[in-house]
Amino acid sequence: DAKTTQPPSMDCAEGRAANLPCNHSTISGNEYVYWYRQIHSQGPQYIIHGLKNNETNEMASLIITEDRKSSTLILPHATLRDTAVYYCIVRDKAAGNKLTFGGGTRVLVKP
Amino acid sequence: DAGITQSPRHKVTETGTPVTLRCHQTENHRYMYWYRQDPGHGLRLIHYSYGVKDTDKGEVSDGYSVSRSKTEDFLLTLESATSSQTSVYFCAIQEYNEQFFGPGTRLTVL
Repeated sequence: DAKTTQPPSMDCAEGRAANLPCNHSTISGNEYVYWYRQIHSQGPQYIIHGLKNNETNEMASLIITEDRKSSTLILPHATLRDTAVYYCIVRDKAAGNKLTFGGGTRVLVKP
Repeated sequence: DAGITQSPRHKVTETGTPVTLRCHQTENHRYMYWYRQDPGHGLRLIHYSYGVKDTDKGEVSDGYSVSRSKTEDFLLTLESATSSQTSVYFCAIQEYNEQFFGPGTRLTVL
């Protein structure tokens, strides 16, 4: 799987949008971008994924650049419960569906 | 939680003893995974299964074996536990494009 680069940490004000960047400059054409998060001591939780187009669901939006070398996860109205480590992962569906986790971004939502 | 349970949730054992962790799912998913997570690190894949009796190694498989004799159970065995295997172990299943994770097992090897 291609590697990703994320900032190690970031703070966000409660009620504001949180924009989490991810670089994946070596992504190949058949690799998807996935986002997971892990709240302290719990198992990772799936958030969203995409290939080329921007995606939105009830949790977040995913913006992928046209060249696909970077993406941004947007939490539109961060709450204290969104405090977690967020992982950006690129995955080739043909590669046994395996996920390769990097270090992630530790997001702290402050009141 | 996609019907995933792990047992035990916590275990303390001594170096050299065998340990088996169990992952159980109730929704007949084909793919199952075992990951470990150490402080300050993301999850690392140990082994995975793509069907009954079909398993393959992940990136950190040394010292671990797995078995899947029926769809709902995926067992992870440490034949002779070492202190370096102290970790939190997560099981996951694949459903469509997403992996869903169990609550984790915290294993301490003294």
